Amino acid sequence: SQELEQSPQSLIVQEGKNLTINCTSSKTLYGLYWYKQKYGEGLIFLMMLQKGGEEKSHEKITAKLDEKKQQSSLHITASQPSHAGIYLCGADGGSNYKLTFGKGTLLTVNP
Amino acid sequence: NAGVTQTPKFQVLKTGQSMTLQCAQDMNHEYMSWYRQDPGMGLRLIHYSVGAGITDQGEVPNGYNVSRSTTEDFPLRLLSAAPSQTSVYFCASMGVGARGGNTIYFGEGSWLTVV
Repeated sequence: SQELEQSPQSLIVQEGKNLTINCTSSKTLYGLYWYKQKYGEGLIFLMMLQKGGEEKSHEKITAKLDEKKQQSSLHITASQPSHAGIYLCGADGGSNYKLTFGKGTLLTVNP
Repeated sequence: NAGVTQTPKFQVLKTGQSMTLQCAQDMNHEYMSWYRQDPGMGLRLIHYSVGAGITDQGEVPNGYNVSRSTTEDFPLRLLSAAPSQTSVYFCASMGVGARGGNTIYFGEGSWLTVV
């Protein structure tokens, strides 16, 4: 079965700093999803990457997919307290649509 | 979370009680699934379905039953609740088409406590 490993597990940054979260898959990635979750709330869709080398941006968040490395990175530029939360990556890497998710990265942004 | 409705949002059960978490989607999606989320564990797949009449087990299926009699509905049943099933449950749906090219829609979650 596919496994997704996220790093780091948690991250504390000062407001205004840049940061990167990585998601590495044990198998081929057919699609990679990034979600954000506020504590005690549901999941907010950020973006989806399909092709190797694809890069997408939304406001100050950029995600890239490295197909060869079976890895995706999520980069936040000039972090703000509103970026705080849990970031989850999810992937469809099998033949039966079993979508798996990483354990999440907890981001804290100090004012 | 447009299109995926989960009920109830909060529930407290006594050990041994049974209950059903409801999930409905109005996007005509073939794929639906249930996840549980526990601290430090991320989202773990319980059961999933790729169409009406088709279900399969995920990573943590024990203690849960599902059925998919219609495209729209995918209920999750706890037959005899245990404290270990205290968790947050998320239902998700996705259109099946181009591989990896479909957005996964999540419900807002159901917070379940078993005492």
